Amino acid sequence: TQLLEQSPQFLSIQEGENLTVYCNSSSVFSSLQWYRQEPGEGPVLLVTVVTGGEVKKLKRLTFQFGDARKDSSLHITAAQPGDTGLYLCAGAKNSGGSNYKLTFGKGTLLTVNP
Amino acid sequence: GAGVSQSPSNKVTEKGKDVELRCDPISGHTALYWYRQSLGQGLEFLIYFQGNSAPDKSGLPSDRFSAERTGGSVSTLTIQRTQQEDSAVYLCASSWDLNQPQHFGDGTRLSIL
Repeated sequence: TQLLEQSPQFLSIQEGENLTVYCNSSSVFSSLQWYRQEPGEGPVLLVTVVTGGEVKKLKRLTFQFGDARKDSSLHITAAQPGDTGLYLCAGAKNSGGSNYKLTFGKGTLLTVNP
Repeated sequence: GAGVSQSPSNKVTEKGKDVELRCDPISGHTALYWYRQSLGQGLEFLIYFQGNSAPDKSGLPSDRFSAERTGGSVSTLTIQRTQQEDSAVYLCASSWDLNQPQHFGDGTRLSIL
């Protein structure tokens, strides 16, 4: 059972366009993280959101955590070729005071064409 | 180095052989995690260590998989009698403590012929 559904699975756009990637679940998470992974490398943490309704901005990237802490979105403004990569969301559930166990979505493979 | 280091970066072996994958965490990080990334499956949690102990082994797919950590630092993931379905990228991550952000290595790409 895939607890975190990411959409779209693939996205190919032109430089300068805007895009939104979604991460949805029927489960509540104590926090949600977004990573970017490039070929042959490990995932790199972009942001962690903790509070329902929270919005965080990282330059041209805007991350939002749903009010019910079941879903999240990543919006990129004016995409650049350097944004190309696999975007992964990962949810953590509080278990006995720990929330180390991350459940990952399958990812959105973004290609930004010059 | 400053990051999580994994070796080898690539491993090709025949079905039935044993393999050992190594992870050097960031110095000072007490928590260490192993994940498996298969095509179309996303990252799958395998096991984590706090110091040298592994309180949660729930993600290990079968008893052919085992892991240890010595000196609160280096960890080894061992797969015995490898099967073709074991082919995947095995990623290691470490964090300063539990619940802290996890920093990933670049993984070991394992191919079973």
